[in-house]
Amino acid sequence: ETGVTQSPTHLIKTRGQQVTLRCSSQSGHNTVSWYQQALGQGPQFIFQYYREEENGRGNFPPRFSGLQFPNYSSELNVNALELDDSALYLCASSRGASGSYNEQFFGPGTRLTVL
Amino acid sequence: AQSVTQLDSQVPVFEEAPVELRCNYSSSVSVYLFWYVQYPNQGLQLLLKYLSGSTLVKGINGFEAEFNKSQTSFHLRKPSVHISDTAEYFCAVSVPSGGSYIPTFGRGTSLIVHP
Repeated sequence: ETGVTQSPTHLIKTRGQQVTLRCSSQSGHNTVSWYQQALGQGPQFIFQYYREEENGRGNFPPRFSGLQFPNYSSELNVNALELDDSALYLCASSRGASGSYNEQFFGPGTRLTVL
Repeated sequence: AQSVTQLDSQVPVFEEAPVELRCNYSSSVSVYLFWYVQYPNQGLQLLLKYLSGSTLVKGINGFEAEFNKSQTSFHLRKPSVHISDTAEYFCAVSVPSGGSYIPTFGRGTSLIVHP
C-alpha cells in the first residue's frame, strides 16, 4: 500500500509569485486535508476536500485555493506569495465519509521558502 | 472554538527515565483527542487517540495517555524512554465541523532524550 506522497520536497519562490503543491493520497482514501506548519509551530488547517468538493476551511485568505481530482490526488495553490507563507505544507489523506472519524495519514510535506 | 495548550516547549530527559508531556484543551462540546509524533523532516504519525470509552489510551511505541475531563487534560506518558523517542510531539483536539473532523494542534513539545 503506497503512502501519501507530496511534491516537490522543497521550493523557493519570491514574493508575489504563485505556487502549486501536489499530493497523492494513500490508496483507497477519498479525503484530503492541507495544513501549514510554520517553523516552531503546530500544523494549522487550511482546507479539506471530500470527493472533489471543499468540505471545510480554516482561517486562510482566498489566495489559498485547492483542487481534488477524480483519482483523489490534490493540489494546493497559493497566489501572491507573502514572506509569511514560508512554511512546511502538509497533506493528509483519509478514508472519509462525512460525519465519521477516520484516521488521517500524513505525507512528508513540502518546504516552501518565500524570499 | 477549541484550543490546545502544550505546557512545555521542550522536555529533556535521560534514556530509560519516565516522561510526561502535558496537554490541556478547551472546548464547549465533546472532543476527540490525539497525540502525534513528528521526526525531523517527516510528516506526522499518529501515536494514539481518544474517541470515547476508557479514559486510559494505549498507543504505539509504548506510549499511553489519560483523558481527564474535569481537568480538560490529555497528558502523554512513557515509563522508559529511548534515544529514538527524540522528536516533536503534538497534541490535537477535534470537534465535528459541518460533518468533518478538523484537528486543532498545539504548538508542540520537543522531547530530547539524552544517553
